[in-house]
Amino acid sequence: AQKITQTQPGMFVQEKEAVTLDCTYDTSDQSYGLFWYKQPSSGEMIFLIYQGSYDEQNATEGRYSLNFQKARKSANLVISASQLGDSAMYFCAMREGRHGSSNTGKLIFGQGTTLQVKP
Amino acid sequence: DGGITQSPKYLFRKEGQNVTLSCEQNLNHDAMYWYRQDPGQGLRLIYYSQIVNDFQKGDIAEGYSVSREKKESFPLTVTSAQKNPTAFYLCASSIGSYGRLLAKNIQYFGAGTRLSVL
Repeated sequence: AQKITQTQPGMFVQEKEAVTLDCTYDTSDQSYGLFWYKQPSSGEMIFLIYQGSYDEQNATEGRYSLNFQKARKSANLVISASQLGDSAMYFCAMREGRHGSSNTGKLIFGQGTTLQVKP
Repeated sequence: DGGITQSPKYLFRKEGQNVTLSCEQNLNHDAMYWYRQDPGQGLRLIYYSQIVNDFQKGDIAEGYSVSREKKESFPLTVTSAQKNPTAFYLCASSIGSYGRLLAKNIQYFGAGTRLSVL
């Protein structure tokens, strides 16, 4: 069964520094996608970055980058130059990529990591 | 602006009452999803719909019901059979679960509805 593990319940980072949020996953599928979402205190889930299992390059989106290590089944999110507005909960999620009626398209979420940025 | 609108933002349910949470999207997405989030936890799938007039149970469907009569709308009813309904409910949509880009099928979320029991 698919599973996402985020082992850091809470993290602190100084403003303007970089921070890495850990995510490991478990799947027997060869084709899958990995996502990171940000959830501020308002509750809305904001899509940050995507990494496909066949992508050769690590994904980057502005200050967000994904350190994808397929053999270790890890997909860590790196936030560079942290800002106060980055304080939020961050979720790693995965979806299997195979076709077929058994594919729900659903996302499997980890438990989340709460990030606090200190001024 | 394109997006997903959930209403109401806050909802209170009396014991034995059914309540309906609204989810509307104008992104022209085929697939829509309902998730439940408990405090300090990740999201769990309640129901999903990949096309109009069709929907499937997710991991925690008991005590919930949905309909998908229109592409833009996917309302969720929390029935009296759901004994622990207090949670944050999130609706999401995506272009659809088909094709080679299946894994990259990004889900976009609404702002959520907080449901509490009186």
